[in-house]
Amino acid sequence: DTGVSQDPRHKITKRGQNVTFRCDPISEHNRLYWYRQTLGQGPEFLTYFQNEAQLEKSRLLSDRFSAERPKGSFSTLEIQRTEQGDSAMYLCASSLARGGGSPLHFGNGTRLTVT
Amino acid sequence: GDSVTQMEGPVTLSEEAFLTINCTYTATGYPSLFWYVQYPGEGLQLLLKATKADDKGSNKGFEATYRKETTSFHLEKGSVQVSDSAVYFCALSPYNFNKFYFGSGTKLNVKP
Repeated sequence: DTGVSQDPRHKITKRGQNVTFRCDPISEHNRLYWYRQTLGQGPEFLTYFQNEAQLEKSRLLSDRFSAERPKGSFSTLEIQRTEQGDSAMYLCASSLARGGGSPLHFGNGTRLTVT
Repeated sequence: GDSVTQMEGPVTLSEEAFLTINCTYTATGYPSLFWYVQYPGEGLQLLLKATKADDKGSNKGFEATYRKETTSFHLEKGSVQVSDSAVYFCALSPYNFNKFYFGSGTKLNVKP
């Protein structure tokens, strides 16, 4: 169990640019989640996958955001035409959906700053 | 909809003091409840969990009891240490476990 890995740790970009983040979940986990966290707030749900299928997207996820999980392994989150309001910590988490009480395992996050 | 409300911080305590961080929830059915901890510069780590009413989760001296009658899951520790300084998040996962809802977090500062 090497844990959930996110890359990069930090990203600074100019408004209007596109950015892509990567998440590698724990290998045997079939669910993968993306959350966004702003200063002083708890994580807000963005989307989640079971295997390669994207099962739910939050209303927070505008059409500038897209997430993929090809082959049910790693996932990418892309933000197009970034805005200053996109500045936040983007958290990835994974879990093994096998019944009650399976917790989320989080990565250390990617901090995005849009200037 | 499902949600979690936890006490606002920061909470400042002296070492060896007793800690309580309140958490209440709103959910349909029987959710699972969790406490996560986030140390500076790190991701969220699972601290403890409870999956049914009257269950007590415990870890590293922290405890929380799933109280369905009061829809609460308060976090307690009998004697805090400086190393417990962190942000604590209460969370719930509905019965179908498709996603998790988090509170806004409570920052704990423990002074020597």
